[in-house]
Amino acid sequence: AAGVIQSPRHLIKEKRETATLKCYPIPRHDTVYWYQQGPGQDPQFLISFYEKMQSDKGSIPDRFSAQQFSDYHSELNMSSLELGDSALYFCASSGGTDEKLFFGSGTQLSVL
Amino acid sequence: AQSVAQPEDQVNVAEGNPLTVKCTYSVSGNPYLFWYVQYPNRGLQFLLKYITGDNLVKGSYGFEAEFNKSQTSFHLKKPSALVSDSALYFCAVRDSRNNDMRFGAGTRLTVKP
Repeated sequence: AAGVIQSPRHLIKEKRETATLKCYPIPRHDTVYWYQQGPGQDPQFLISFYEKMQSDKGSIPDRFSAQQFSDYHSELNMSSLELGDSALYFCASSGGTDEKLFFGSGTQLSVL
Repeated sequence: AQSVAQPEDQVNVAEGNPLTVKCTYSVSGNPYLFWYVQYPNRGLQFLLKYITGDNLVKGSYGFEAEFNKSQTSFHLKKPSALVSDSALYFCAVRDSRNNDMRFGAGTRLTVKP
């Protein structure tokens, strides 16, 4: 069965650069959630989308933005990267007859 | 690689009764174990975690979980369920040696009045 796909798997950026992370939900899932997990820390909820509209907002910095597109994939845009942005970013999707969350493998972002 | 299993898709309990949501895990190193709750259209909320120390961990909203190394389990419990506890519950595990998190598929808890 298809799973949640995230790209890229790894990303290395320098301070003040921008990064775009992508999340492709399971087919027919209409809800996407983004989480940030710093080294040795718990996942922190960033933002979620339902039917291409923002549905909930967590601790997402103003430097970050996200959107969900017509094909339900989502992109997390990160600007003016800081060293503290180095983390594992993963997304999850739900929807259709599946009320459970399905998680992607994450994108490991390293800011140098 | 680590993995976690939640054997029950759904758990139904009556209000006031004790509840248990089951979780078993597999990890090569020492486990860091977590429980999260998700309410409709919301992101995950942290409930509790086990890193080291006492096997019985107390968390938010009166929940607790017991780490059982021999059974590789980390079941979530609450002595007296509330209707407002009805939600999706996710167990997660991380190997102490890396930052890679694995979530269970979730268990739908329904507490009936």
